[in-house]
Amino acid sequence: DQQVKQNSPSLSVQEGRISILNCDYTNSMFDYFLWYKKYPAEGPTFLISISSIKDKNEDGRFTVFLNKSAKHLSLHIVPSQPGDSAVYFCAASAWANNLFFGTGTRLTVIP
Amino acid sequence: DAGVTQSPTHLIKTRGQQVTLRCSPKSGHDTVSWYQQALGQGPQFIFQYYEEEERQRGNFPDRFSGHQFPNYSSELNVNALLLGDSALYLCASSRTEAGSETQYFGPGTRLLVL
Repeated sequence: DQQVKQNSPSLSVQEGRISILNCDYTNSMFDYFLWYKKYPAEGPTFLISISSIKDKNEDGRFTVFLNKSAKHLSLHIVPSQPGDSAVYFCAASAWANNLFFGTGTRLTVIP
Repeated sequence: DAGVTQSPTHLIKTRGQQVTLRCSPKSGHDTVSWYQQALGQGPQFIFQYYEEEERQRGNFPDRFSGHQFPNYSSELNVNALLLGDSALYLCASSRTEAGSETQYFGPGTRLLVL
């Protein structure tokens, strides 16, 4: 049973535009959410996180939004750059326990 | 400040063999988690070690075992390898204190079972 879902396997965006990556979860006990970026042959790199007590967290070009009632979070990248091209994973945890990951979204930023 | 390191980077084994993978956590981190990532999937949690003991375990058989040493480094052992064990094995480290839930990953060990 997939508790964290990323329903878009891929996304293409023009350089300079906004990239929006989406993630849905089913477990209402999740209280911490993270986004990781992964290049081929490398481990996931932590990007940004959000606690369930917040609905928005921003770090430079990256903003994560959390909608607890819809059990949905999204990652916004503005402006998108070619170096952002990678696979993005959404992850969630409850009480600082193990992470549950989605299946990833491949982002391609077109120059 | 060294990040999470893993060794070896790649490994080829045959069915039935045993394998040991190693991980050194990020400086200042005391908790190590192991994940298996199959092709096209997200990482799946195997187990987590803290204070040299297994604290949590995912849905993996007993063929998967681990160890944590006093210096917080960790090993993942897999016995009686199956073809389906071929995957990228990721180690992640974190600190066990409130507000430090973020796990940082190493580059992974790619295991191929023939």
